Amino acid sequence: AQSVTQLGSHVSVSEGALVLLRCNYSSSVPPYLFWYVQYPNQGLQLLLKYTTGATLVKGINGFEAEFKKSETSFHLTKPSAHMSDAAEYFCAVSDRAGGTSYGKLTFGQGTILTVHP
Amino acid sequence: GAVVSQHPSRVICKSGTSVKIECRSLDFQATTMFWYRQFPKQSLMLMATSNEGSKATYEQGVEKDKFLINHASLTLSTLTVTSAHPEDSSFYICSARPAGSGDGYTFGSGTRLTVV
Repeated sequence: AQSVTQLGSHVSVSEGALVLLRCNYSSSVPPYLFWYVQYPNQGLQLLLKYTTGATLVKGINGFEAEFKKSETSFHLTKPSAHMSDAAEYFCAVSDRAGGTSYGKLTFGQGTILTVHP
Repeated sequence: GAVVSQHPSRVICKSGTSVKIECRSLDFQATTMFWYRQFPKQSLMLMATSNEGSKATYEQGVEKDKFLINHASLTLSTLTVTSAHPEDSSFYICSARPAGSGDGYTFGSGTRLTVV
């Protein structure tokens, strides 16, 4: 079984400030990890993912995340927040259906990011 | 890149009627599609896995007779909410995974269902 916990349902930052969204996971096998962003009444857009290899993953829009196996964490960061970053962010873990094939996604509860001018 | 089209984006229906939601992979074939449900201010919950040419696999607690899934072709999966009730009002999202895609899953834009 796998699960995802996002610490903090709401995070508020000032424009230009560091963004840190926390995600911890539980998985019985080496996981695939994802961060998605969702704007109101829209689907999910992939920000970045970790599968294997380099533990620091860079994504779109200046976001990055670091896979820390010892801490079972995959926190999302961005050095400088922009107003357009305001959205809801979901961390997700996937089991592995086999080889490099992705299995089912399990999502965290989501974190709403608010950016103040 | 891979695109998943979901239709309609919004639908309002009367209690007791049925509503069909379509999920299409526009530029790739998808043997597997996933249907999620999202309540306001909550996360996405996987409802079922849709398999082309075979029966869908439903998650525990999801009524398969209420949420009918059909995946008759490699580019189309449909979710029909039968005898809808106000408690079925929710945001429904589908996703698909292009074969060999390094990005994993592509999501549709979602369908806001309101049952009155």
